[in-house]
Amino acid sequence: GESVGLHLPTLSVQEGDNSIINCAYSNSASDYFIWYKQESGKGPQFIIDIRSNMDKRQGQRVTVLLNKTVKHLSLQIAATQPGDSAVYFCAENTGRSSYKLIFGSGTRLLVRP
Amino acid sequence: DTEVTQTPKHLVMGMTNKKSLKCEQHMGHRAMYWYKQKAKKPPELMFVYSYEKLSINESVPSRFSPECPNSSLLNLHLHALQPEDSALYLCASSQLRGNNQPQHFGDGTRLSIL
Repeated sequence: GESVGLHLPTLSVQEGDNSIINCAYSNSASDYFIWYKQESGKGPQFIIDIRSNMDKRQGQRVTVLLNKTVKHLSLQIAATQPGDSAVYFCAENTGRSSYKLIFGSGTRLLVRP
Repeated sequence: DTEVTQTPKHLVMGMTNKKSLKCEQHMGHRAMYWYKQKAKKPPELMFVYSYEKLSINESVPSRFSPECPNSSLLNLHLHALQPEDSALYLCASSQLRGNNQPQHFGDGTRLSIL
């Protein structure tokens, strides 16, 4: 069935290093992707999105890369800070509806001081 | 702080109780959503409202009853819930202008069923 999965359930990085969180998706019809950050006790927070007509998009300290050939999405965080510690979810919109997002299983990012 | 406000933040109820979860946004978004999130799992879509009309029901049991009284408010009425319904209930909203608009989430109501 349709699914969005992550390769690494937990990622531990040193403060100041760059982090890369990966996501695989299976639906070739997906045309919109979002990364969310969820801290303990809070709801998912929008980080960055990308449409399928792009392969890279940059925000403040974050970059999302989309490789449609291998159905792969990644989130790069530059100069990782303790405040970046959270669970990160990728989500895809399958294109048939602009309303329904399918979330990946999540990656926990731990930042070591 | 999130621009989607959910109340209450925590709710404990018995299986015979009736309660309601409330969600409010003032971003002018015309799509609103309810999600359920179990511990260490991703959010799962329950309902979608567009222009105050129910457009998606993800085969949710009838003990969950959504309501959208106006474009800023979304309620979820609860009745005769089961212990397995204990979870974080998240509300989200998004624009409907064009396709592929990001959904913005509240911080949720943590529900415990005794």
